[in-house]
Amino acid sequence: QQQVKQSPQSLIVQKGGISIINCAYENTAFDYFPWYQQFPGKGPALLIAIRPDVSEKKEGRFTISFNKSAKQFSLHIMDSQPGDSATYFCAASNSWSSGDKLTFGTGTRLAVRP
Amino acid sequence: DVKVTQSSRYLVKRTGEKVFLECVQDMDHENMFWYRQDPGLGLRLIYFSYDVKMKEKGDIPEGYSVSREKKERFSLILESASTNQTSMYLCASSSWAGGSGGNTIYFGEGSWLTVV
Repeated sequence: QQQVKQSPQSLIVQKGGISIINCAYENTAFDYFPWYQQFPGKGPALLIAIRPDVSEKKEGRFTISFNKSAKQFSLHIMDSQPGDSATYFCAASNSWSSGDKLTFGTGTRLAVRP
Repeated sequence: DVKVTQSSRYLVKRTGEKVFLECVQDMDHENMFWYRQDPGLGLRLIYFSYDVKMKEKGDIPEGYSVSREKKERFSLILESASTNQTSMYLCASSSWAGGSGGNTIYFGEGSWLTVV
């Protein structure tokens, strides 16, 4: 049972373009939504996270957009660079009842062409 | 600098062997996790621990057990390895921070296990 659905599975973007990765969740008790970035041969690392009391959070070129009513959230990478080529995972948790136990999406492999 | 160290990066084991995957964190974190990563399936939680000698099952605990005798060390055990346990295993840790979640989880670099 996939509680967090992520799309697309893979994405190719030209340098300077916008990369968009989407996630949808089912559990309305989820209240913490992080994105993790994973480079080949490395473990995932936290990129950016949002809580449902805001609709958008921006850190540099990375933005999370959150739509509570639709139970969807997305990652936007502006001015995509070849160094952004990695696998991206969305995740969700009910932080008060399950602590840091995250449910992850299936991942998106992003390739940014020079 | 935050560090989660998985001692074995690449292992090849035979079916039926007992396998130990070791993980050590140097951040004095209370929470430790073992995930399994497979293509198209993302990361799935096997076991986690909120304290020494404490363990709780995650989403896919079958065929696995864990041990946490010291705060900094969390071991994943495959009692009798099978080919469907060929995967990458990720250890992670996070701080307790008063019991609420939303804390950054720090991952190790992973252990690639092949069972033949």
